[in-house]
Amino acid sequence: DSGVTQTPKHLITATGQRVTLRCSPRSGDLSVYWYQQSLDQGLQFLIQYYNGEERAKGNILERFSAQQFPDLHSELNLSSLELGDSALYFCASSVGRTSGRDTQYFGPGTRLTVL
Amino acid sequence: AQKVTQAQTEISVVEKEDVTLDCVYETRDTTYYLFWYKQPPSGELVFLIRRNSFDEQNEISGRYSWNFQKSTSSFNFTITASQVVDSAVYFCALFDSNYQLIWGAGTKLIIKP
Repeated sequence: DSGVTQTPKHLITATGQRVTLRCSPRSGDLSVYWYQQSLDQGLQFLIQYYNGEERAKGNILERFSAQQFPDLHSELNLSSLELGDSALYFCASSVGRTSGRDTQYFGPGTRLTVL
Repeated sequence: AQKVTQAQTEISVVEKEDVTLDCVYETRDTTYYLFWYKQPPSGELVFLIRRNSFDEQNEISGRYSWNFQKSTSSFNFTITASQVVDSAVYFCALFDSNYQLIWGAGTKLIIKP
């Protein structure tokens, strides 16, 4: 158990809908990262927050947004969902601001299925 | 551009055999970090090792060992005396000045009893 929690574990929804994925980092970690893992794209970095502020941005679609709250938990919002958004979404956390020196510890993931 | 290549899509060996997973990376930076993660069938990503670009010493942890060679831009992972529980997908990843982890496609390792 990495100490990173994600809810829900599974999510099934329809095209055009909006969903929110939730992540709680390990105790003491200030950075939260979001990743998407799909069969065709592999693992892709979406976005990082450090202590409430956006730190780095990857291949995140405009339909997707995230935020980190004062208690350091984070939410990833996915809207106008398409079939291609079906994937496993991981949250990770680390202590510091720059993840090269820190290890990212991953949550169990949320499996999103868009029908 | 940064890139991580894991050329072996799938490897299948019999238990107790040694197996090496290859990882080749590309970066223009002199300071960077390399990682290996394991994804067992249950789906979670488990951290195995981090190595920075200035530390070329090989590392051994039990049955796991890592061979970092800057001259060939490789960071290979060897499992000695493999066990069925080692069956998983293994990912190599690179972190550099772009401040994000770039992942390889993963190598699926199947250990047969």
